[in-house]
Amino acid sequence: DQQVKQNSPSLSVQEGRISILNCDYTNSMFDYFLWYKKYPAEGPTFLISISSIKDKNEDGRFTVFLNKSAKHLSLHIVPSQPGDSAVYFCAASASGTASKLTFGTGTRLQVTL
Amino acid sequence: EPEVTQTPSHQVTQMGQEVILRCVPISNHLYFYWYRQILGQKVEFLVSFYNNEISEKSEIFDDQFSVERPDGSNFTLKIRSTKLEDSAMYFCASSPDSIYGYTFGSGTRLTVV
Repeated sequence: DQQVKQNSPSLSVQEGRISILNCDYTNSMFDYFLWYKKYPAEGPTFLISISSIKDKNEDGRFTVFLNKSAKHLSLHIVPSQPGDSAVYFCAASASGTASKLTFGTGTRLQVTL
Repeated sequence: EPEVTQTPSHQVTQMGQEVILRCVPISNHLYFYWYRQILGQKVEFLVSFYNNEISEKSEIFDDQFSVERPDGSNFTLKIRSTKLEDSAMYFCASSPDSIYGYTFGSGTRLTVV
């Protein structure tokens, strides 16, 4: 069951540059999307979300873009900081709310000095 | 910042035994969830709980599993007759409503031997 896919298991970016994490989904019923960050030995931490009625949502250094026709979303982090190094999960919900979430497999981001 | 607290952080149990994983959600939250992550795999939804009853459950959440909110603060996941494949990280989460991203706990690592 690969309804939410993150095809890049890892990404390395220099400090100060832009990090772009990608996510694809197959279920056309998904209408609410979220990004979570996870450090080792901790639970996922909510970062940012977007409803399917929007194509962009911004919160500080984090921007999420949604392309419904391509069933693709991306998370941009600008500028990247060493503290951003973590595993990033894309998640989707089919109910218009953050109730039952379907997660991707995650992308490990490493921000180097 | 308010936290979701999970105990124990690590539980080792023998196959066939029953375990209870405990969670203290954030006090003013109304929606409660259990997710799990088998090592190397994605985070998977198990169950959501609202107004003292299960609102949704996945196909994983069969008769082996049950949830309870025995008092005003705790939210528990009981796994009866544990199997080796139940070994995973179990995350509890809570949210004030069904719209915003949840707050996850740090997880309980369950090891079935």
